[in-house]
Amino acid sequence: KNEVEQSPQNLTAQEGEFITINCSYSVGISALHWLQQHPGGGIVSLFMLSSGKKKHGRLIATINIQEKHSSLHITASHPRDSAVYICAVEVFQYGNKLVFGAGTILRVKS
Amino acid sequence: NAGVTQTPKFQVLKTGQSMTLQCAQDMNHEYMSWYRQDPGMGLRLIHYSVGAGITDQGEVPNGYNVSRSTTEDFPLRLLSAAPSQTSVYFCASSYSGAPAGNTIYFGEGSWLTVV
Repeated sequence: KNEVEQSPQNLTAQEGEFITINCSYSVGISALHWLQQHPGGGIVSLFMLSSGKKKHGRLIATINIQEKHSSLHITASHPRDSAVYICAVEVFQYGNKLVFGAGTILRVKS
Repeated sequence: NAGVTQTPKFQVLKTGQSMTLQCAQDMNHEYMSWYRQDPGMGLRLIHYSVGAGITDQGEVPNGYNVSRSTTEDFPLRLLSAAPSQTSVYFCASSYSGAPAGNTIYFGEGSWLTVV
């Protein structure tokens, strides 16, 4: 069983839609990261969370430590948001090493 | 400030050949790591380093070697390439250990094909 599960695996949205990507984990963590990977490109850090909620532009990330769940929201989605979104957790028992989800492939159509 | 620089971007190797993927960062980060990314799977840790002269194995270390002689550089060596090592490789760094709640910076990736 994967320690980090993301849903959905694939998501297609129309421009302007509100998008939610979910991340659930089964281990004790010290922090959770949301990352963005564009096709053929590198990986960029969007958020690092240990509690609560963070907002940057049209992106919002939340985490519920008790429920072991995090969500990444994109408001007013745009085709340039098309990318793979990756959830990664720092796991206590592994000395805070990162464990990654498989990613959510998002395509926003105009 | 260039961030994390990885080279080469693309490489084709024959089975049994060796090569080195280079990784350099100019942010004075202590923690550096190498991951591989395979279709349908999350990134997996190959090797990591918490500072110059200190390296350790990750989840999938077999067939790879690393060294950390300076804070800036963390090369990954494939000792005898196998088709199973066909993958996309990412180098990453962060300010301090493992990465302990710090922002992670990734390189652009190296696409490696072993034939």
